[in-house]
Amino acid sequence: SSELTQDPAVSVALGQTVRITCQGDSLRTYYASWFQQKPGQAPILVFYGKNNRPSGIPDRFSGSSSGNTASLTIAGAQAEDEADYYCNSRDSSDNRGVFGTGTKVTVL
Amino acid sequence: QVQLQQWGAGLLKPSETLSLTCAVNGWSFTNYYVSWIRQSPGQGLEWIAEINDSGSASYNPSLKGRVTMSVDTSRNQFSLNLTSVTVADTAVYYCARSIWGRHPPYFYYYMDVWGKGTAVTVSS
Repeated sequence: SSELTQDPAVSVALGQTVRITCQGDSLRTYYASWFQQKPGQAPILVFYGKNNRPSGIPDRFSGSSSGNTASLTIAGAQAEDEADYYCNSRDSSDNRGVFGTGTKVTVL
Repeated sequence: QVQLQQWGAGLLKPSETLSLTCAVNGWSFTNYYVSWIRQSPGQGLEWIAEINDSGSASYNPSLKGRVTMSVDTSRNQFSLNLTSVTVADTAVYYCARSIWGRHPPYFYYYMDVWGKGTAVTVSS
């Protein structure tokens, strides 16, 4: 299956840590990449590969992977981290990209 | 500055063809792919297609042969055509620079530069 499944929503207290997970068979072959999307804006890449953050992304964003599950952790969540988060991978069986179902993160 | 600039018609009638163009600014797309992604109102991201500078393309099977991408290397532009549109094709369409490769034992794949998006509405 090429699907990537995420929890629909999570909440985190300001300054606390939240982990967002993404599950799918393609993650046994591909590292997940992670995108943050705020209302009315294009997605922004926040983590990719084994351990890479694009320039300008705070180091409170980190990623990990094990088996068919990838995780994005926000350590010390800030109000500006409130957004939708999507994982992304690639389905090697039919050579196409695939996105997760998305997780809405609320910072309380 | 590394950018993707996109444009195209924003209002279509059912059965018409959606045509969008994405222009590369500030970088050479040699060794990169450009992908199209869409997001229906209130929904998640959907991968549509991708193409490289050689014109090698991949498409989402769910679009059932309605989609084609092309590349104009002389203009550093990529185009997306989606035929026989319906109201279900109403979405914001994004182009994005895609990178993929191998980091043993895994592969990596990500989209690091995105266009601002083009809102397309299909309505009779």
